[in-house]
Amino acid sequence: GENVEQHPSTLSVQEGDSAVIKCTYSDSASNYFPWYKQELGKRPQLIIDIRSNVGEKKDQRIAVTLNKTAKHFSLHITETQPEDSAVYFCAASDLVDGLTFGKGTHLIIQP
Amino acid sequence: DTAVSQTPKYLVTQMGNDKSIKCEQNLGHDTMYWYKQDSKKFLKIMFSYNNKELIINETVPNRFSPKSPDKAHLNLHINSLELGDSAVYFCASAGSLRTEAFFGQGTRLTVV
Repeated sequence: GENVEQHPSTLSVQEGDSAVIKCTYSDSASNYFPWYKQELGKRPQLIIDIRSNVGEKKDQRIAVTLNKTAKHFSLHITETQPEDSAVYFCAASDLVDGLTFGKGTHLIIQP
Repeated sequence: DTAVSQTPKYLVTQMGNDKSIKCEQNLGHDTMYWYKQDSKKFLKIMFSYNNKELIINETVPNRFSPKSPDKAHLNLHINSLELGDSAVYFCASAGSLRTEAFFGQGTRLTVV
């Protein structure tokens, strides 16, 4: 099955700075890569996703890049705000198990 | 209407008991999942159920069994509960194995 590695486990940035979270995956058959945000005590919710036929996707302050050759993808958040503080999960979906998640990154936005 | 709903939200029970968590989705999805989120926040896949085919994560003890009475429901049964089963369990559904998953609100299971 798929194996997803995510780094860092904790990321602290100053408000207004950028944050980058990186993930790698193992199964070359995976072709769907979503990112989820989970606020304290809440359910994970999709914030952006990318498919393997696309190298980059942007949605306002959030962008995701995918390098299929290297099997890694990254989440970029610009102009961070206090409400960006949460746990972020990357995931990869293969043909067998469906969505396999990374271990999460606790993003802390310092005022 | 809530897209994916699971009940109960909280479950406190003694070791050795058998319990069930229910999950229902009204999105018409073909794929449903169960995830376990431990105290370290790791979302570990337990089961995926896609077009009536069940995929079981090999690390899940056989005390855990999913039951799907119909396409809209995937319930989780747990036998002989152990302290280590304490966690938040999330149900999710998706249109397919390769599309966005929508999560239920989670069930916090505490085994005492």
